[in-house]
Amino acid sequence: NAGVTQTPKFQVLKTGQSMTLQCAQDMNHEYMSWYRQDPGMGLRLIHYSVGAGITDQGEVPNGYNVSRSTTEDFPLRLLSAAPSQTSVYFCASSSLGGMNTEAFFGQGTRLTVV
Amino acid sequence: RKEVEQDPGPFNVPEGATVAFNCTYSNSASQSFFWYRQDCRKEPKLLMSVYSSGNEDGRFTAQLNRASQYISLLIRDSKLSDSATYLCVVSRIINNDMRFGAGTRLTVKP
Repeated sequence: NAGVTQTPKFQVLKTGQSMTLQCAQDMNHEYMSWYRQDPGMGLRLIHYSVGAGITDQGEVPNGYNVSRSTTEDFPLRLLSAAPSQTSVYFCASSSLGGMNTEAFFGQGTRLTVV
Repeated sequence: RKEVEQDPGPFNVPEGATVAFNCTYSNSASQSFFWYRQDCRKEPKLLMSVYSSGNEDGRFTAQLNRASQYISLLIRDSKLSDSATYLCVVSRIINNDMRFGAGTRLTVKP
């Protein structure tokens, strides 16, 4: 029962480098999302997708790109890493719509940009 | 102003104590309400949904006051294993738009 799988778990980048955080889910969920978590800020939504081929911006999308070519995968791309992107990143998935829909999270990626 | 506000704590309580967390939200269009638990350096996991009539799950009781836009979580007979950060979450059904509070940290001591 894999659920939501994120890779890598840890990453150190130099300023200006690019990278892709991977996220995959095996629950056939329509909805997938990326959050970043910073001390004292809670989780903030970066981008989300309501199905394959459909993505949209969340609260803090600048500096990040996403794509959703399949239901299972939702990678997050950092175009040119900046120290302000040092954070813990979580991918989540859930069924779409309905009341009280539970979100399932990956284990997180701890990213440090130096 | 943040959309979801929580007292950050920390709350340090002895085993067996009763502790209550509060949360307020600003968007009256919010339709679903949750408490998630997050252990140190781990992902958030659903603790319980919060229903308009209030609901209980063992030692945990959640209340919702839509008029005041206020959510609460009561933990009775605290256990050491309850030590974690508790996240208040509200969402709108459209687009599953979830907004998180910054979390309240609880430490239960022997």
